[in-house]
Amino acid sequence: QSALTQPASVSGSPGQSITISCTGTSSDVGAYNYVSWYQQHPGKAPKLIIYDVYKRPSGLSNRFSGSKSGNTASLTISGLQAEDEADYYCTSYTGSITYVFGTGTKVTVL
Amino acid sequence: EVQLVESGGGLIQPGGSLRLSCAVSGLTFSDYWMHWVRQAPGKGLVWVSRIRGDGRETNYADSVKGRFTISRDNAKHTLYLQMDSLEADDTAVYYCAGVLGARFDPWGQGTLVTVSS
Repeated sequence: QSALTQPASVSGSPGQSITISCTGTSSDVGAYNYVSWYQQHPGKAPKLIIYDVYKRPSGLSNRFSGSKSGNTASLTISGLQAEDEADYYCTSYTGSITYVFGTGTKVTVL
Repeated sequence: EVQLVESGGGLIQPGGSLRLSCAVSGLTFSDYWMHWVRQAPGKGLVWVSRIRGDGRETNYADSVKGRFTISRDNAKHTLYLQMDSLEADDTAVYYCAGVLGARFDPWGQGTLVTVSS
């Protein structure tokens, strides 16, 4: 199972919006609405920020939003803040009873 | 407070074995599928294995199938990963995570496994 494809890096200035893509296939992202996104700061465990394509965990900022079109899911961070600087990973359930993670995107706040 | 605490990592020679543990508290352990996810130094997250809440179904990534065994003790609220025939490519931080539906939450803090001679 190949990793989902994400851009290696995305950057933006404080207050701007950025979007991270996550491209899979018709066997994973395109087949199921089970895409989730995770934020990981250096040396820390990943943290769930979006699940089931667009749902936010209770208490999470509404600056994070998710969507999907075909085989590509997207995470948008609006009103970019310094604390958003981190690595971001998508994941999807696959048809072979496993999960696959994305390659990861480093977000830099300029 | 929900807590997942991994242990058992360390330095091991190629071909050796290691057993990781993940002690869980603050949630109804048997309700959760439990997963192991690993991250090689400077690399991305990779899904490793999962086990159903009652322990009766397990799945593995192709890269570890036949070498790793996932198990759980619901009475002890503990998840395990028995790793045999370890290879240099198994070097990583290993995270345990609880999954409801398809969302990985919560996560442990990770334990580092280094396979080297």
